[in-house]
Amino acid sequence: EPEVTQTPSHQVTQMGQEVILRCVPISNHLYFYWYRQILGQKVEFLVSFYNNEISEKSEIFDDQFSVERPDGSNFTLKIRSTKLEDSAMYFCASKSGPNSPLHFGNGTRLTVT
Amino acid sequence: GEDVEQSLFLSVREGDSSVINCTYTDSSSTYLYWYKQEPGAGLQLLTYIFSNMDMKQDQRLTVLLNKKDKHLSLRIADTQTGDSAIYFCAEDHQAGTALIFGKGTTLSVSS
Repeated sequence: EPEVTQTPSHQVTQMGQEVILRCVPISNHLYFYWYRQILGQKVEFLVSFYNNEISEKSEIFDDQFSVERPDGSNFTLKIRSTKLEDSAMYFCASKSGPNSPLHFGNGTRLTVT
Repeated sequence: GEDVEQSLFLSVREGDSSVINCTYTDSSSTYLYWYKQEPGAGLQLLTYIFSNMDMKQDQRLTVLLNKKDKHLSLRIADTQTGDSAIYFCAEDHQAGTALIFGKGTTLSVSS
């Protein structure tokens, strides 16, 4: 069964550094999302992306965050200058259409030291 | 704003049925979802129900939706130790928009 894949599974970075989290959505999907889950807390929406542009974003998704679909298969989340509070599990998700279920990847655990 | 509430813990014995409950506030939800998260793993889509349905059954899983009371439940029949995980309820208030998640219910199954 096709799945959303995320790399790396765990990323450790120093405060102030830039990180790029990578995702390969399911191949025929058109809607792409990033969510995060701080340890022990809710899964929170960050941003959605459709037709090569951001369609919705949350308050969390400030100027430090950006997303890109650099080619036909990858979908990336960049954090420009990481803060300690960015430490979380970041999930990528995709779906084929607006009325389709959302499929998640296994996540990237980001640890900012 | 939209909110999704779940009880935090449920403990059952192997072979019993588990019922995990969820309430939501957004009456314009299109879909309601149940996801399973095992320790250190991602979010596995278990099942979902369209808002104009009141029940959906898929093998050991039964989803009940009471739209009037904005109540969603997930019943797992013959619960196994492998069902131990966190179960998240989620809803979207409009097709294509972001999902709103509950805090998750930790299901513990003892043998």
